[in-house]
Amino acid sequence: GDSVTQMEGPVTLSEEAFLTINCTYTATGYPSLFWYVQYPGEGLQLLLKATKADDKGSNKGFEATYRKETTSFHLEKGSVQVSDSAVYFCALSGTGNQFYFGTGTSLTVIP
Amino acid sequence: GAGVSQSPSNKVTEKGKDVELRCDPISGHTALYWYRQSLGQGLEFLIYFQGNSAPDKSGLPSDRFSAERTGGSVSTLTIQRTQQEDSAVYLCASSRRSGGNTGELFFGEGSRLTVL
Repeated sequence: GDSVTQMEGPVTLSEEAFLTINCTYTATGYPSLFWYVQYPGEGLQLLLKATKADDKGSNKGFEATYRKETTSFHLEKGSVQVSDSAVYFCALSGTGNQFYFGTGTSLTVIP
Repeated sequence: GAGVSQSPSNKVTEKGKDVELRCDPISGHTALYWYRQSLGQGLEFLIYFQGNSAPDKSGLPSDRFSAERTGGSVSTLTIQRTQQEDSAVYLCASSRRSGGNTGELFFGEGSRLTVL
């Protein structure tokens, strides 16, 4: 069945460091891929998405490229800020009705 | 409001009591999902509604859990005879479903349930 495997945390980085959070997926067909973010005390919100192979989703300085050949959708940011501290979830939606979420990666950015 | 609304935001109950959690999705969204998020855990799928179709209940952990969606809009998640392991944040999300791949999910802020 469809699934998402996400890099486990927690991740602690200094401000302005480079961030990568790995995400790989298993799916039949051609899923859409998402990154959701949950800031402390808030609900989940969409960070970025990509709906087909080689698409790049981007938002707030974060980027992720849909790589069909490696079944990956890694999240990257060139220079993290303290305000990026949150839990990040990778997710996919396939041709069925279901969304599949990774277990989440907690990021803490220290000044 | 324009977003997904959930109530109550916090609920503390005694073991063995029944609880009801409510979700009001974004107007026009035909798909509605319930997830459970336990402390330090990912999102556990519970149930999915799409329009007037039979719901996908495959994620409900036991027969103490049930959910309904009236008029294709508001949904209620009911937990009977609550147990301490039911303590979690219950998240509702809705989506505009147009066939094929599902669009993005919009989440409510969740209902935090504590069973004493």
